[in-house]
Amino acid sequence: GENVEQHPSTLSVQEGDSAVIKCTYSDSASNYFPWYKQELGKGPQLIIDIRSNVGEKKDQRIAVTLNKTAKHFSLHITETQPEDSAVYFCAESGGYQKVTFGIGTKLQVIP
Amino acid sequence: DTGVSQDPRHKITKRGQNVTFRCDPISEHNRLYWYRQTLGQGPEFLTYFQNEAQLEKSRLLSDRFSAERPKGSFSTLEIQRTEQGDSAMYLCASNRETSGISGEQFFGPGTRLTVL
Repeated sequence: GENVEQHPSTLSVQEGDSAVIKCTYSDSASNYFPWYKQELGKGPQLIIDIRSNVGEKKDQRIAVTLNKTAKHFSLHITETQPEDSAVYFCAESGGYQKVTFGIGTKLQVIP
Repeated sequence: DTGVSQDPRHKITKRGQNVTFRCDPISEHNRLYWYRQTLGQGPEFLTYFQNEAQLEKSRLLSDRFSAERPKGSFSTLEIQRTEQGDSAMYLCASNRETSGISGEQFFGPGTRLTVL
């Protein structure tokens, strides 16, 4: 079945440094890879996504990379700010149905 | 506010009681999803609807759980004879299916259930 492994589970960085979160997946049919940010007491919110026909995507300080051969994808946040502190989830989907989430990475940006 | 809404936001109940949660999706969205999230974990898929049809159910959805979307708009999730293991955040999400292309699911704030 579908499985998404995510690491690290916790990550502390100094403000202004970069943060990298890595995920692997097992389902070859996966073609959509969203990243969600969840703040305390709130539902997850999409921050960026990538489809299987693209290797990299960037949106301001956030970038994602995808290696379909190795079934790896990563989130890169540059110039981190205290408001980036949250739990980040990688996820995968094989279509327009359910999304399978990783376990989450708790990111702390230290001012 | 035109986002996904859920009611109630918090529910405390005693073991053995029945509870029902409601989700109102974004109005033009025809797909609606239910997830469960326990502390320190990612959301886990429970079930989803396209319009009023329930198209997939997870193995996590035991026979004590039932979900409906009678008119293809709002949805309800009922848990009968609650157990302490049902304590979790129940998240609802919605999106619009277009030509089989995967897209963003918009999540509500969740209903936090505590079973005593």
